[in-house]
Amino acid sequence: KAGVTQTPRYLIKTRGQQVTLSCSPISGHRSVSWYQQTPGQGLQFLFEYFSETQRNKGNFPGRFSGRQFSNSRSEMNVSTLELGDSALYLCASSLSWNRKSEQFFGPGTRLTVL
Amino acid sequence: DQQVKQNSPSLSVQEGRISILNCDYTNSMFDYFLWYKKYPAEGPTFLISISSIKDKNEDGRFTVFLNKSAKHLSLHIVPSQPGDSAVYFCAANSQTGANNLFFGTGTRLTVIP
Repeated sequence: KAGVTQTPRYLIKTRGQQVTLSCSPISGHRSVSWYQQTPGQGLQFLFEYFSETQRNKGNFPGRFSGRQFSNSRSEMNVSTLELGDSALYLCASSLSWNRKSEQFFGPGTRLTVL
Repeated sequence: DQQVKQNSPSLSVQEGRISILNCDYTNSMFDYFLWYKKYPAEGPTFLISISSIKDKNEDGRFTVFLNKSAKHLSLHIVPSQPGDSAVYFCAANSQTGANNLFFGTGTRLTVIP
């Protein structure tokens, strides 16, 4: 079956702009989590959605937001981009938000903020 | 504040030998631990996990050891193969954390043929 897909794969924006990233989970998976990966910090949890509801949120400013649609696809939005937002954004899908449910990661969206 | 730490950014091992990747954590509420492997241009893939009620879990060439008193876990790969060359991430989770995984910064393993 198809894996987790993320679009776009690469994105270049300038400071102050906003960006929307998309994630399509594995068919049948209802939980989508988002992570930010930077060289110095590793992967850091942004938020998790299950059945269109945010279930869990990491320690990121309000400029980072997300949503999930009825088909489980998810989007994350970053407003007023800063240089430090340059990172690889990964989404992961799982069957449920039970922590023992294996998470499958997409290839990520590489965001560069100039 | 990095709650999961991988202090070795890189490791090189000869093919056929044992690779040992280490991970330390600070949060005593963590009770479920995972290892992920990541190749370039791909997302991390799940490798092996261990619950805090165990001190060892084995899956083929991969074994994870957990020392709760030291807040330390390690991943052993025996024997190491060139295809194991990747970045390995340690991750942890607590009962209250749902799917929120805390990741280390990764260790790049290079297996030399």
